[in-house]
Amino acid sequence: GAGVSQSPSNKVTEKGKDVELRCDPISGHTALYWYRQSLGQGLEFLIYFQGNSAPDKSGLPSDRFSAERTGGSVSTLTIQRTQQEDSAVYLCASSLDGGWNTQYFGPGTRLTVL
Amino acid sequence: AQSVSQHNHHVILSEAASLELGCNYSYGGTVNLFWYVQYPGQHLQLLLKYFSGDPLVKGIKGFEAEFIKSKFSFNLRKPSVQWSDTAEYFCAVIAGNQFYFGTGTSLTVIP
Repeated sequence: GAGVSQSPSNKVTEKGKDVELRCDPISGHTALYWYRQSLGQGLEFLIYFQGNSAPDKSGLPSDRFSAERTGGSVSTLTIQRTQQEDSAVYLCASSLDGGWNTQYFGPGTRLTVL
Repeated sequence: AQSVSQHNHHVILSEAASLELGCNYSYGGTVNLFWYVQYPGQHLQLLLKYFSGDPLVKGIKGFEAEFIKSKFSFNLRKPSVQWSDTAEYFCAVIAGNQFYFGTGTSLTVIP
């Protein structure tokens, strides 16, 4: 079946603009995760959705970052007033259930803030 | 603060050489441990995981890892690497209901 998909694959924006990144998880997966991979920084957890529970936002780096998941499926990560340090690859993953079980990763969105 | 350390940033091996990639974490409580791999141009994928039970875990493609609680380590091993193992390897830990990734180790296998 189809894997996790993310769009756009690449996004170039100007400093100060808002961006929206989309993630389509594997159908039937109840858990969805967002990560950020910065150059030389490894993967950084951002936010975790599990079913209808309140999301775990503990990893969001600032209040410019927000995410929502509509209908328990598609998720959108929004970055407001982008800064150059926001440049990174943003990865989405989903898993059949929560508890950080086996996650399937999408291809990522490469964000470049000029 | 909790952290995950991968001490080897770049490893270059010849085919058939043995591999061991180090992973250490700092957390005194119960942990779940993972190794992920990202082949060139591909998505991250799970290599193996440890939740409980036998501390020697076998994963895909001949990889294994051993959880040594006293050393806070979860090193990845493979007895004989192949050119196709060239990839980036990430150790990850769930500790205190938080998920932490290491910075990754780039492995290059020379034919």
